[in-house]
Amino acid sequence: AQSVTQPDIHITVSEGASLELRCNYSYGATPYLFWYVQSPGQGLQLLLKYFSGDTLVQGIKGFEAEFKRSQSSFNLRKPSVHWSDAAEYFCAVVTLFGNEKLTFGTGTRLTIIP
Amino acid sequence: ETGVTQSPTHLIKTRGQQVTLRCSSQSGHNTVSWYQQALGQGPQFIFQYYREEENGRGNFPPRFSGLQFPNYSSELNVNALELDDSALYLCASSPSGGETDTEAFFGQGTRLTVV
Repeated sequence: AQSVTQPDIHITVSEGASLELRCNYSYGATPYLFWYVQSPGQGLQLLLKYFSGDTLVQGIKGFEAEFKRSQSSFNLRKPSVHWSDAAEYFCAVVTLFGNEKLTFGTGTRLTIIP
Repeated sequence: ETGVTQSPTHLIKTRGQQVTLRCSSQSGHNTVSWYQQALGQGPQFIFQYYREEENGRGNFPPRFSGLQFPNYSSELNVNALELDDSALYLCASSPSGGETDTEAFFGQGTRLTVV
C-alpha cells in the first residue's frame, strides 16, 4: 500500500528565510504527487502537483517542488517565506486505481517568526 | 474560491446520534470524495462517488454512508456517532472519475464535534 511520510511535524523559520519541507513516499508505480496548504480552520488549497515530465514543478505563492525518484522524495521549497505562509502543509499521493483517492501525510506545521 | 461548498460549517452532536453533512460540487465536476481529518492528522479517505455510484471506499465502518445526487452534490451520513468521529470532514470534487490526471478541489469542511 502507498504511504506518505512527512518527517517534520513542526518547522519554524524567520520571515525572509528559505524553506524546505520534506516529503517521502512509498509506492510501487510512478506516483502522482501533490502539495496542499491548510490555514487554521480551513479546507485544503492545492499548491502544486507532479504527474510527469519536468521533475521541478512550480506552484502558486512562489512555491516549487522537486520530484526525485531515486530518493522517493517530493520536497517543497520556497526561497523567501512571508508571514502569510504560516499554515499546515500536506504532501499527498494519488492511488492509481483509476480515480483520485488521495493519501496524505500527517502534515508539517510551519511557523514564521519576525 | 474553489466552488465547492459544504454545510453546515460547524455541528455538535451527542454520542449515538446520526448526522448528515452536505457538499455541493464545483460546476462541471461529477466526482465527489469525502475525507475525515482528525485533529493534528492528515485527511483520511472515506469514500468517493462518481456519477451517483460509490467508486471506492477507505477503511471506515458501514455506519459511514453516502449519496450522490443527479446534480452531483453529495451527502455523508454517519450513524451511531462515537466520540472518535469528532473531526473536520472535507469534501472534494474533481472533473472526472476514472482518470488520475485531474485535481481535487476541496471545500472548507464541516467541523463535527461529538459529545
